[in-house]
Order: sequence, then C-alpha cells, then structure tokens
Amino acid sequence: SQTIHQWPATLVQPVGSPLSLECTVEGTSNPNLYWYRQAAGRGLQLLFYSVGIGQISSEVPQNLSASRPQDRQFILSSKKLLLSDSGFYLCAWSQVVRGGRVSYEQYFGPGTRLTVT
Amino acid sequence: AQKVTQAQTEISVVEKEDVTLDCVYETRDTTYYLFWYKQPPSGELVFLIRRNSFDEQNEISGRYSWNFQKSTSSFNFTITASQVVDSAVYFCALNTNAGKSTFGDGTTLTVKP
Repeated sequence: SQTIHQWPATLVQPVGSPLSLECTVEGTSNPNLYWYRQAAGRGLQLLFYSVGIGQISSEVPQNLSASRPQDRQFILSSKKLLLSDSGFYLCAWSQVVRGGRVSYEQYFGPGTRLTVT
Repeated sequence: AQKVTQAQTEISVVEKEDVTLDCVYETRDTTYYLFWYKQPPSGELVFLIRRNSFDEQNEISGRYSWNFQKSTSSFNFTITASQVVDSAVYFCALNTNAGKSTFGDGTTLTVKP
C-alpha cells in the first residue's frame, strides 16, 4: 500500500531564517506530487506541483521554491522566511490516468504547521 | 478555466439531521474527475469519493451519498443521520489536467450533539 510522509510535523522559525520541508511517498512510482498551503480557516492554495523528477510548476509567485531530486521525494524550501509564510503545509500525491490527461484523487500527508515569528 | 464553487461556507446541524453540501463546477473539458475530501480537526485531508465525467450514477456508501448531475454541473454530497464525528471541513475538487486539481473553498460542517 502507498504511504506519504511529511516532516517535521510542527515548526517555529524566525523571520529571515531558511526553510526545508520534506515529503516522501512509498509504494508507488511516477506519482504527481503537490505542495499546498492552508492559512488558518481558509481553503487550499496550490504552491507547486511536479509531474516528474526535476519538473516543477509554480502556481504563485513567492519566496518559496520546490525541488524533486528523486521520483518519490518532494522538498519545499525558502532562503528567508516571511511572516506571511506561516500556515499549514500539505504534501500530496496522485496517479495519472493512463493516457495522461487527467489524474486521479490526491492522497495527502499529515501536514506541517509552520509558524514564522 | 476550471472553477469549483462551494457556496456554503459554514453549516451547523444537530446530530441525526440530514445535511447536503453543495458543489458546482465549471469546465469546458469533456473528460474530468470530481472528488470530495474531508478535513477533520487533525488537519489531514482524507479522500472520500471520485466520480468521472462519464458516470452519472449516484453512489451511496453507508450514511454518505453523492448526487452527480452534469445538466446542472453539480456534485452534491449528503450525509444522512449526521454524527458529531462528521464535523469537519469538506472540499469538493475537479481535475481536468494531469498536473493539478481545482479545489473549492470548503464547507465547514458542525454537528452538534
């Protein structure tokens, strides 16, 4: 069966410090991978998605970046955090339907609560 | 462009009441998938159901049922005899692109004992 891991679960970082959040998926190959942010009481904001190693699409301009060094590893980074980066970060994976036009449902990790102080 | 609208921001019901969560979508694609997810207070989103654009059969799973109507571009979710454990944020989503899905803003359901 497939599982998705995220760490750390919670993080408190000062403004201006760097960030690295990691997400790994087990039990599947060639997944689509996603990073979302959810502000308190708000919906999901798609930050990045990846359809393959080294292939990253950015959805919103910001001081965050993402990388996919391996098929089942997805990393979210920042060189200098801002107060507005606080939120709940969710990683997810999905399989692409044969033919590649659409993808199936997404499976989410447990999330990381980031507080920038 | 794709769009998912969940017009109900918050719903509050008393336990054992039935409740329907609305979802309206927009897309020009003829092939797409619709989904519902549940986000309990713990935060992790849980996948509930997937529907493809060629299958308008309604589905029932225990106390949950889903009504997909292409004529009105709706994919509504009904919980029968609600329970306190059903309290969560529920998201409807649409996928027409292998790269990403479009999520609604979510409906917060509170079931009071």
